[in-house]
Amino acid sequence: DTVLTQSPALAVSPGERVTISCRASESVSTLMHWYQQKPGQQPKLLIYLASHLESGVPARFSGSGSGTDFTLTIDPVEADDTATYYCQQSWNDFTFGSGTKLEIK
Amino acid sequence: EIQLQESGPGLVKPSQSLSLTCSVTGYTITSGYDWSWIRKFPGNKMEWMGYISYSGSTNYNPSLKSRISITRDTSKNQFFLQLNSVTTEDTATYYCARELPGGVMDAWGQGASVTVSS
Repeated sequence: DTVLTQSPALAVSPGERVTISCRASESVSTLMHWYQQKPGQQPKLLIYLASHLESGVPARFSGSGSGTDFTLTIDPVEADDTATYYCQQSWNDFTFGSGTKLEIK
Repeated sequence: EIQLQESGPGLVKPSQSLSLTCSVTGYTITSGYDWSWIRKFPGNKMEWMGYISYSGSTNYNPSLKSRISITRDTSKNQFFLQLNSVTTEDTATYYCARELPGGVMDAWGQGASVTVSS
């Protein structure tokens, strides 16, 4: 299995810039995707293929990386961004990171 | 606009089979793409379980291969999950999703909570 490692939690203030990291146990090229999940809701696609913004997602969200290290950036953060963010790779079947819970102070 | 909706029993006894249905509207499942089941455990771990392709072929997570079956009813535009010999460790929220080329899940159902308990 390709293991994806994310930091468990972050807390930032509105208007700040936040980066959420995801490290893969082996290279996944750019086959990395990011989702936002709020309590009681289904995951929502934000970024696909490492850096492509899904239609309808605010341009405050961006993604970067290739190989084993990937980043989701939110700039500027808004209160509504409170959620858990997951990375998911599709190089070797599909696996998800453990999620990063983002708190807006 | 595509929509997916999971349905099925919320409580299953240990050793029995878990069966869920994903009903799709706004897109015909035989037109393209793969159709996946993903689950989220208490504690937030997410696991891809498997998919059925638009042509009917299947691909399963090796960790579940002996217990899982994904089928479909094209006349109803539905696909199904069956997981056999469940234990309490199969307690989770189960999602169905559309998977695009490149392996990205762009549309998800709202999820079905399933508890395995006697």
